[in-house]
Amino acid sequence: DAGITQSPRHKVTETGTPVTLRCHQTENHRYMYWYRQDPGHGLRLIHYSYGVKDTDKGEVSDGYSVSRSKTEDFLLTLESATSSQTSVYFCAITDTGRGYGYTFGSGTRLTVV
Amino acid sequence: AQSVTQPDIHITVSEGASLELRCNYSYGATPYLFWYVQSPGQGLQLLLKYFSGDTLVQGIKGFEAEFKRSQSSFNLRKPSVHWSDAAEYFCAVVAVNTGNQFYFGTGTSLTVIP
Repeated sequence: DAGITQSPRHKVTETGTPVTLRCHQTENHRYMYWYRQDPGHGLRLIHYSYGVKDTDKGEVSDGYSVSRSKTEDFLLTLESATSSQTSVYFCAITDTGRGYGYTFGSGTRLTVV
Repeated sequence: AQSVTQPDIHITVSEGASLELRCNYSYGATPYLFWYVQSPGQGLQLLLKYFSGDTLVQGIKGFEAEFKRSQSSFNLRKPSVHWSDAAEYFCAVVAVNTGNQFYFGTGTSLTVIP
């Protein structure tokens, strides 16, 4: 598999606390994405990055922020976690994007109690 | 706006039977289309992709898909299903003019019975 890892794999946190999820790649791919997966909704884009310090919002960005200070790392932060942010979060990477498809990480299961 | 529809939330087939999973897309230009498979507790794995050329594309694990522009469809097929094919299947289209975002359908869950 491509070198993409997500950490942590599982996390339980309390409402109102900040949470940061990490996506790390060793493929030197330009594009990185954060999706959340919820039953009945499929995967929905939260934020994406098209280079170091270059990020943009996706469909469901409210309550989330991202940072990319190095090519290999893309961080997703929940500013103040809410129960509606309980979900499985997937990171994805691609180089040119359209022709090659995404490579996905194994996901982070986040529970906000 | 681009979107993907997978009309079947859940499909059950017998092992050895043929399979067809439906996918319809909405996209203004020539679409780049993908099928992914997700086993329980796992990430998504690329099955196959289409972006030009022959409208019948072959993928891994014996899957194929046919692009039909007139019907805005990209249905996934397999002639003989194996028990290990039980999983969730997602169709996706990429928006090349907005950061190469992928738009996913809501998925079709496949159950295979002996």
